[in-house]
Amino acid sequence: GAVVSQHPSRVICKSGTSVKIECRSLDFQATTMFWYRQFPKQSLMLMATSNEGSKATYEQGVEKDKFLINHASLTLSTLTVTSAHPEDSSFYICSARRTDTEAFFGQGTRLTVV
Amino acid sequence: GQNIDQPTEMTATEGAIVQINCTYQTSGFNGLFWYQQHAGEAPTFLSYNVLDGLEEKGRFSSFLSRSKGYSYLLLKELQMKDSASYLCAVMDSNYQLIWGAGTKLIIKP
Repeated sequence: GAVVSQHPSRVICKSGTSVKIECRSLDFQATTMFWYRQFPKQSLMLMATSNEGSKATYEQGVEKDKFLINHASLTLSTLTVTSAHPEDSSFYICSARRTDTEAFFGQGTRLTVV
Repeated sequence: GQNIDQPTEMTATEGAIVQINCTYQTSGFNGLFWYQQHAGEAPTFLSYNVLDGLEEKGRFSSFLSRSKGYSYLLLKELQMKDSASYLCAVMDSNYQLIWGAGTKLIIKP
């Protein structure tokens, strides 16, 4: 099956710093990638839809200046959590769309802000 | 609005069969997905149904009735490793995934 690589899998950062998470589709081109956030014992919450070569579309309530998304190529999208705070600690997951009905998940990133 | 309902938690016995139901109301329909998610890990794809009927894949089967807005995931010969959350997701007319809250499945020996 298709492979989506997300890096890092775990990161601990200090409050006020920024963290970048990468999502790569390794064996297909993904014009669209999705970024999700998941709190413990809850379902996935779509944060934004990232389209290659254009600005990301953010869901209501998601701060675009805080969660910077860059989809610079057909195989790479990045999510940068700027000026991180403890409440940003969460599990962040990307998925890459191969066709209209096929999307593959990265491994997820556990972010802990201390 | 769009809505996906599935039970919060279910318990079953090792070796038995369990059925996890999912009902949905969405703006348009382009398929229904089931994912398995172990704690602390990303979801893994289990099945995709876009036509009515039963799709069987080893110990797992998934059923869809579009007229009833209903699907179920059937797990047979349960194993301890099947303890996980099972997420139902529907793709709407814009090809966006609408997620259910997930069903936590607890398997007892």
